[in-house]
Amino acid sequence: SQELEQSPQSLIVQEGKNLTINCTSSKTLYGLYWYKQKYGEGLIFLMMLQKGGEEKSHEKITAKLDEKKQQSSLHITASQPSHAGIYLCGAEISSGSARQLTFGSGTQLTVLP
Amino acid sequence: DGGITQSPKYLFRKEGQNVTLSCEQNLNHDAMYWYRQDPGQGLRLIYYSQIVNDFQKGDIAEGYSVSREKKESFPLTVTSAQKNPTAFYLCASSAGLAAYEQYFGPGTRLTVT
Repeated sequence: SQELEQSPQSLIVQEGKNLTINCTSSKTLYGLYWYKQKYGEGLIFLMMLQKGGEEKSHEKITAKLDEKKQQSSLHITASQPSHAGIYLCGAEISSGSARQLTFGSGTQLTVLP
Repeated sequence: DGGITQSPKYLFRKEGQNVTLSCEQNLNHDAMYWYRQDPGQGLRLIYYSQIVNDFQKGDIAEGYSVSREKKESFPLTVTSAQKNPTAFYLCASSAGLAAYEQYFGPGTRLTVT
């Protein structure tokens, strides 16, 4: 099983609707990163969360990390076609000196005009 | 402009041939990474390097090799020992290993037939 579970795997919404993507781990997350990817391209950094209960927003996208630091959600308000793409969460799961990012399998978002 | 470049964007090779993927960054980052992405899956770490002349195996290093002779460059060689080399390869860099945003290149799609 994956160390980082993302849900849903894919999402189709009508333009203007709100949506939420979740990222869950059974382990403590020492850093949680959200990225967006267009098919066949590199990843674009959206936000990083480190503290339990932390919440960050950028334009219409809000990301939260729960108090226990095991779950994060990405919420898009009033979605637009430009929000379409693959959303990936990545997290530092180990607390050792050589922290690496473990990634979820991604959520494919389609926004219908 | 600072960033990460990967070349070429598309690469085709015959089975049994080694192939080297290029990754260059001018962000003055110490850490560099190679990931592999397969359809419907998240990123899996192949190798990472914290500093010049040092690199560590990631989760799926078998059949791959890397070098880090210069801070700016982290080439990845896909050897004939890699059983399923066809994939999308992403290179990333960060200021350090711990709690730093990773910047991604545009990726190289390798097809081996």
